[in-house]
Amino acid sequence: GQNIDQPTEMTATEGAIVQINCTYQTSGFNGLFWYQQHAGEAPTFLSYNVLDGLEEKGRFSSFLSRSKGYSYLLLKELQMKDSASYLCAVATNDYKLSFGAGTTVTVRA
Amino acid sequence: DADVTQTPRNRITKTGKRIMLECSQTKGHDRMYWYRQDPGLGLRLIYYSFDVKDINKGEISDGYSVSRQAQAKFSLSLESAIPNQTALYFCATSDTGANTGELFFGEGSRLTVL
Repeated sequence: GQNIDQPTEMTATEGAIVQINCTYQTSGFNGLFWYQQHAGEAPTFLSYNVLDGLEEKGRFSSFLSRSKGYSYLLLKELQMKDSASYLCAVATNDYKLSFGAGTTVTVRA
Repeated sequence: DADVTQTPRNRITKTGKRIMLECSQTKGHDRMYWYRQDPGLGLRLIYYSFDVKDINKGEISDGYSVSRQAQAKFSLSLESAIPNQTALYFCATSDTGANTGELFFGEGSRLTVL
């Protein structure tokens, strides 16, 4: 089976930085995704890491360490619109995605 | 228009009724999936299909069935709905050629079983 863990909730102040950690133990690995999901809406793609290291995309960065089974999503210069759930997902051997339970981030003024 | 379209978007039904959720896509992707989402449990895979003649069970397929009528259409059926099938259901697609598994989601179908 797949085991993907991430914190349930995080709160941060507008303009601050938040780091969401994700650890995984899966049968096979073909990359790790981060999705953003606003309440009642569909998840939308944020990032994809398949090699170790940091991928930066504007205010969002994602890091992967395959040997440690660890990833994080870094959100910088937080804005109120960043209040959402952030889903960590691992692509396994046949490229199916298994999801963590999601981290709800609340941004306060 | 959305690339992945789900109907209905909202449905309230009673225990024992048969329900069908439909999904159609214009992305030209070969792979299609049905997930359900429950608070605190994240997205769980119900069924998936890698091609028109291919149907596979996911981690929580009991109580559900699917039909892949065409490359662009993938429907999910609940033969006899029960209250613990109340959830938000998502259809998704992916492109085999992309070799990543990235999913593209529909807008979701909220099902309530009374």
